[in-house]
Amino acid sequence: KAGVTQTPRYLIKTRGQQVTLSCSPISGHRSVSWYQQTPGQGLQFLFEYFSETQRNKGNFPGRFSGRQFSNSRSEMNVSTLELGDSALYLCASSLEAGANYGYTFGSGTRLTVV
Amino acid sequence: AQSVTQPDIHITVSEGASLELRCNYSYGATPYLFWYVQSPGQGLQLLLKYFSGDTLVQGIKGFEAEFKRSQSSFNLRKPSVHWSDAAEYFCAVGDQAGTALIFGKGTTLSVSS
Repeated sequence: KAGVTQTPRYLIKTRGQQVTLSCSPISGHRSVSWYQQTPGQGLQFLFEYFSETQRNKGNFPGRFSGRQFSNSRSEMNVSTLELGDSALYLCASSLEAGANYGYTFGSGTRLTVV
Repeated sequence: AQSVTQPDIHITVSEGASLELRCNYSYGATPYLFWYVQSPGQGLQLLLKYFSGDTLVQGIKGFEAEFKRSQSSFNLRKPSVHWSDAAEYFCAVGDQAGTALIFGKGTTLSVSS
């Protein structure tokens, strides 16, 4: 069974640009969550989507947004990129809503902002 | 607010030796607790989780963890470490809303031969 697929694996963008990251969850999983991982802040929750609805959002500025499609695939968008947005962005899926079932993570998208 | 502390940033263990990684959490009620492992350039893999019941939890790859409410700890153990266990290990607690995990800063495990 295919795992969580994130595309692209690597991205280099310039400050001020915007970027869209994609995540395809495990077949049958309806919940998709996004996390940002940086050396300084560690792993931080961005948002969770379930049945195309955002259930929760972490403490990030409005430049960070996301959505989920009817097939459970999810995208996250970061507008007006800043150097501090350089990070590994991890997508995680689970069968049901919420974090307490335990996630299956993708390999991440490494975003570098220059 | 909930938090997770992993006191050890980096640990080196000889191959074949036992391992214990420490995790302390701050949470008012009975927590949902997790251990994840991350190999370089990869995502996180769930090793084990604790919800309730038996305080000794068995996971994959020969790992186990013990929940101790009195010490607010959830330490990860393995009796005999293999070179392939070298990775970064993260302890996490489910937040009160149940919609996100709060992670510790991680412990990097190196295995010497």
